[in-house]
Amino acid sequence: AQSVTQLGSHVSVSEGALVLLRCNYSSSVPPYLFWYVQYPNQGLQLLLKYTTGATLVKGINGFEAEFKKSETSFHLTKPSAHMSDAAEYFCAVRDFGNEKLTFGTGTRLTIIP
Amino acid sequence: GAVVSQHPSRVICKSGTSVKIECRSLDFQATTMFWYRQFPKQSLMLMATSNEGSKATYEQGVEKDKFLINHASLTLSTLTVTSAHPEDSSFYICSATPGDPATNIEKLFFGSGTQLSVL
Repeated sequence: AQSVTQLGSHVSVSEGALVLLRCNYSSSVPPYLFWYVQYPNQGLQLLLKYTTGATLVKGINGFEAEFKKSETSFHLTKPSAHMSDAAEYFCAVRDFGNEKLTFGTGTRLTIIP
Repeated sequence: GAVVSQHPSRVICKSGTSVKIECRSLDFQATTMFWYRQFPKQSLMLMATSNEGSKATYEQGVEKDKFLINHASLTLSTLTVTSAHPEDSSFYICSATPGDPATNIEKLFFGSGTQLSVL
């Protein structure tokens, strides 16, 4: 069964600093990979996804993630953090042809003014 | 964007009572809805998948008689936690999609969740 590991349940960065949220998956076959963001009192929103093709994918709000098959990773980055980026971030994977998502435990991102 | 409304956002109940959670797709017809639960510091775990007009498919280890799911219309699915106990206290989240979830992952929309506390 698929598993997703998000290192660091809490990450704090200063405003303007680099954001790096880590995600590793367990599948030996490259799955579909996703990052979701959840703002307080709101549902999860799709931030970006990797299915096939270019391994560096860009999402909303300046976020991007790079699929690295050799490292089974899909880390999320943003060059310069903004206060509005404070939220909970979830990495998720899905095998090809499977409708089910497997989520990581989430990382709460705090932005320090 | 599409909106999924989940109600209530928070509920506290006594042990032994039943609690109903509603999940509504406000601006699209949801052919498939998913129910998840999340314990503190753990990941969202899929409980069941429901398709309109048919019985829900439960994940292994989820008691179907305890977690009753009804998807009677294309805009509403309900999760009823029957005879709730303190161990059922958790965060429950629904998601809905208007199309084939296997090929339209971008069109998977989530509710804001329900925090259930059983005393």
